Amino acid sequence: ELQLVESGGGLVQPGGSLRLSCAASGFTFRSYEMNWVRQAPGKGLEWVAQISTSGSSRRYADAVKGRFTISRDNAKSSLSLQMNSLRVEDTAVYYCTRDEGAEGVNNWFDPWGQGTLVTVSS
Amino acid sequence: DIQMTQSPSSLSASVGDRVTITCRASQSINSYLNWYQHKAGKAPKVLIYTASSLQRGVPSRFSGSGSGTDFTLTISNLQPEDFATYYCQQGHSFPYTFGQGTKLEIK
Repeated sequence: ELQLVESGGGLVQPGGSLRLSCAASGFTFRSYEMNWVRQAPGKGLEWVAQISTSGSSRRYADAVKGRFTISRDNAKSSLSLQMNSLRVEDTAVYYCTRDEGAEGVNNWFDPWGQGTLVTVSS
Repeated sequence: DIQMTQSPSSLSASVGDRVTITCRASQSINSYLNWYQHKAGKAPKVLIYTASSLQRGVPSRFSGSGSGTDFTLTISNLQPEDFATYYCQQGHSFPYTFGQGTKLEIK
């Protein structure tokens, strides 16, 4: 069974750091690009970051560029998101999701994890 | 960035109804449009990819159409489990962007 399980969320003060993790199982992790998508309270879905299969290519939303770093460990089937200089507006549920399709054609997200809540507040 | 605009933002319907949700892209995205269903506290789920392809396991009462800038998601014979929020997403180019969502509620 395909499964993505996020962890690492919690309460952090503005300016602080947090590291999210996502454990993947049920598929060949190293063969897929991976993404983080978030949903702020009462808001819609927002793509955050993507990493290539090897980890050599990373893309970010402008809102997090320079503050967040996506990484992966293919040996452990694990995805991470290091979040630094956190802001109140980063408060959201963060989802780990597998990238389907191919760049230049179409890309969609399936499956998704259950999400982990990050709250940035003083 | 490609802006995705969904309408309506909310919709009330009854079990057995047919509903249509529209999504417009700010520029042509070919057929690179995907639809998701999201229930509170659960993982989002892809319903339709590449505008009209039904994801495996998704009931056939869900269908999608469109190309270029205008797309629709149609749900026929609404079932109680279909009441949720629906999002479109363009998979054409970075940054991937979503519509603002359509909340489907029971009338």
